[in-house]
Amino acid sequence: QKEVEQNSGPLSVPEGAIASLNCTYSDRGSQSFFWYRQYSGKSPELIMFIYSNGDKEDGRFTAQLNKASQYVSLLIRDSQPSDSATYLCAVRDDKIIFGKGTRLHILP
Amino acid sequence: DAGVIQSPRHEVTEMGQEVTLRCKPISGHDYLFWYRQTMMRGLELLIYFNNNVPIDDSGMPEDRFSAKMPNASFSTLKIQPSEPRDSAVYFCASTVRDRGETQYFGPGTRLLVL
Repeated sequence: QKEVEQNSGPLSVPEGAIASLNCTYSDRGSQSFFWYRQYSGKSPELIMFIYSNGDKEDGRFTAQLNKASQYVSLLIRDSQPSDSATYLCAVRDDKIIFGKGTRLHILP
Repeated sequence: DAGVIQSPRHEVTEMGQEVTLRCKPISGHDYLFWYRQTMMRGLELLIYFNNNVPIDDSGMPEDRFSAKMPNASFSTLKIQPSEPRDSAVYFCASTVRDRGETQYFGPGTRLLVL
């Protein structure tokens, strides 16, 4: 069964520091990789997607993909209290599979 | 645009009753997805449609669940009969399959089956 694994957290990071969120996946055929942010009681919203090995940067966010290690990560620089949320990793081959998410708490 | 619209936002029902959840995708989007989210299982894809046609329903948990998309602007997810283990938040999402593959989620329906 295809799986996407994330540490459930909570991950506590001081304001202004770098938050590092990690995800591993089981299906080597996966082609697309996504990070969604979900605030408590709200719906998920896409913040990053990545297809190729390496890094992809968008503002304070950097997604990193290593297909050989089946590993994808999200770095959040200059963490803000508004970044406190659950971050869902998602992987797609023929269909999309979500991890259970990592709760991130930014300490003011 | 109003975004993806779901109704009702909250539903409380008793075991054995029929439950119908509704979704209106973003205009122009040709893909529609139904998800279920629980603490234990996370966010699970139940079924998705392309141009109103069901493409993959392998995530539908059992025959008590059914989904339809009679036209491009409306979809339903029905549970009959409902059971307490169906309690969850049900999300509908829509997208246009461009390179970005951004899925836009509705606000969700919080279902409680007593």
